[in-house]
Amino acid sequence: GAVVSQHPSRVICKSGTSVKIECRSLDFQATTMFWYRQFPKKSLMLMATSNEGSKATYEQGVEKDKFLINHASLTLSTLTVTSAHPEDSSFYICSVPSGAGELFFGEGSRLTVL
Amino acid sequence: GENVEQHPSTLSVQEGDSAVIKCTYSDSASNYFPWYKQELGKRPQLIIDIRSNVGEKKDQRIAVTLNKTAKHFSLHITETQPEDSAVYFCAASFKAAGNKLTFGGGTRVLVKP
Repeated sequence: GAVVSQHPSRVICKSGTSVKIECRSLDFQATTMFWYRQFPKKSLMLMATSNEGSKATYEQGVEKDKFLINHASLTLSTLTVTSAHPEDSSFYICSVPSGAGELFFGEGSRLTVL
Repeated sequence: GENVEQHPSTLSVQEGDSAVIKCTYSDSASNYFPWYKQELGKRPQLIIDIRSNVGEKKDQRIAVTLNKTAKHFSLHITETQPEDSAVYFCAASFKAAGNKLTFGGGTRVLVKP
């Protein structure tokens, strides 16, 4: 399956600052990547679909101005949490779909906003 | 959109016993049903999946069954071992929706030695 690398794995920031999370598909060209968010002891909730060369598609209820997604190339998508607040603290995971439907996940990034 | 319900939310079994987790989905167009295992602080790992043209699939101690008519699918783990303790998620997707996976709420499985 695809090898997906996510960075940073952990980040702590002050309220009001912005944080960028990178997701790289190391061995698979991904025109699409998915960004999920997972709160403690909860399920994975799809935030947005990152599309190479075009705007991301956001799920209902997700603020596109707060969660900026850029899909710069076939191997890199970034998620920027702007003006982060404590309620944004969560586990953010990117994923790359194979052509057959399987999703391969990055390691995840645990964001803590103080 | 798709909605996936998963039960039970927690499951405690004795080592060596079987564990069964059940999921239902709402969108009859869904045709791909994976199961993921997630250990604490780690990424979800695909353990088995099934497509809508198949009713059952087995891989060693793990099996999945699918009933398209009733729109439900189940994960069966036999001869459970302590290392099977984790959170398990079912999911569903279909190609026309861009293969976006919708996840169930998760089942926390504890295998007691």
